[in-house]
Amino acid sequence: DAGVTQSPTHLIKTRGQQVTLRCSPKSGHDTVSWYQQALGQGPQFIFQYYEEEERQRGNFPDRFSGHQFPNYSSELNVNALLLGDSALYLCASSLYGANYGYTFGSGTRLTVV
Amino acid sequence: AQSVTQPDIHITVSEGASLELRCNYSYGATPYLFWYVQSPGQGLQLLLKYFSGDTLVQGIKGFEAEFKRSQSSFNLRKPSVHWSDAAEYFCAVGGLTGTASKLTFGTGTRLQVTL
Repeated sequence: DAGVTQSPTHLIKTRGQQVTLRCSPKSGHDTVSWYQQALGQGPQFIFQYYEEEERQRGNFPDRFSGHQFPNYSSELNVNALLLGDSALYLCASSLYGANYGYTFGSGTRLTVV
Repeated sequence: AQSVTQPDIHITVSEGASLELRCNYSYGATPYLFWYVQSPGQGLQLLLKYFSGDTLVQGIKGFEAEFKRSQSSFNLRKPSVHWSDAAEYFCAVGGLTGTASKLTFGTGTRLQVTL
């Protein structure tokens, strides 16, 4: 049974560019959450998607947007990249209502130069 | 707003020694509390969680944690550390919403194990 799959694993972008990160949830899960983990910090909640809608959002600017598809997979988009966006981006899937039964992916390491 | 403090950035213990990692939380109601472990380049693995009931919680890999409401603490313990326990450990708090909700993490404690 596959867990959470994230792609790509690493990428390098230039300031001002746009990036899309992808996440396939664990089989049977219908909710996807995204977290940003800067170097030396704990993960910070970006947003959560359920039924193709953004259900909760953390303290992140509108440059961060997302999407959930009918098959429950999700994308995280970041526009106008800043150096400070360099981080490990973690996707976590869960079953809606199953109190924090998260499964985390291994993350995408984004470097902005 | 909910928050988590992990006062120890880095801890070094000898293999076979006991371990305690500190965690203090701030939350207005009864919290959901978690400990996660992260190995280099990896995602987060859940060690244990506390929702209600017995304040001493057993987890995987021989870890346990004790919820102390009076001290707003949820410290992680292990009686005998193995070299493979070297990793980053994160304490997290979630709100009592009844649905999948966001977690607020501490800044982590890096554990080094000497042989």
